[in-house]
Amino acid sequence: QKEVEQNSGPLSVPEGAIASLNCTYSDRGSQSFFWYRQYSGKSPELIMFIYSNGDKEDGRFTAQLNKASQYVSLLIRDSQPSDSATYLCAGNNFNKFYFGSGTKLNVKP
Amino acid sequence: DAGVIQSPRHEVTEMGQEVTLRCKPISGHNSLFWYRQTMMRGLELLIYFNNNVPIDDSGMPEDRFSAKMPNASFSTLKIQPSEPRDSAVYFCASSPLRGEQYFGPGTRLTVT
Repeated sequence: QKEVEQNSGPLSVPEGAIASLNCTYSDRGSQSFFWYRQYSGKSPELIMFIYSNGDKEDGRFTAQLNKASQYVSLLIRDSQPSDSATYLCAGNNFNKFYFGSGTKLNVKP
Repeated sequence: DAGVIQSPRHEVTEMGQEVTLRCKPISGHNSLFWYRQTMMRGLELLIYFNNNVPIDDSGMPEDRFSAKMPNASFSTLKIQPSEPRDSAVYFCASSPLRGEQYFGPGTRLTVT
């Protein structure tokens, strides 16, 4: 079992809709979680990080963490074609770091 | 800030040759990571340094791979001898204390 599981997609949403990206993790000792966006041929780019249970909002992005269910999600409101990319979920437990395999998001104009 | 700097951006070499990839982390970041990314295996952590000391090298695939961080502003990843299966994009990332990582542009390695 991988430490972080993500649906590979592609997830297709129409422009203006809410995109919901989900990830589950297996290490209960994980403390911090991160969402990265990776455009094709580019490097991963940090979007958000979250440490505490609940929601954290930054512009059109909301990260949600539920440690009891070992579940992390990223909501993208008012999705734009420029949001089309692969989204990587990541976590860490002290000196242990892990990435999911990513969910490909397609936002259709 | 210039961000994480990697060189070269592209490297094409023949099997059996030595390859050295270079990374300059963001100033003030105390952690540095080397990753390899392929379509088949995704993003794999190779090695992680904290304050220039290797903490976890369990992801280094075999003895052909070695990494050094002689000071806080420079790290190298060396492959000797290189093999076609080493072809991938190699990323360096640096991180401040909190764990979020900032990636360099990557080095695309092709071994023929």
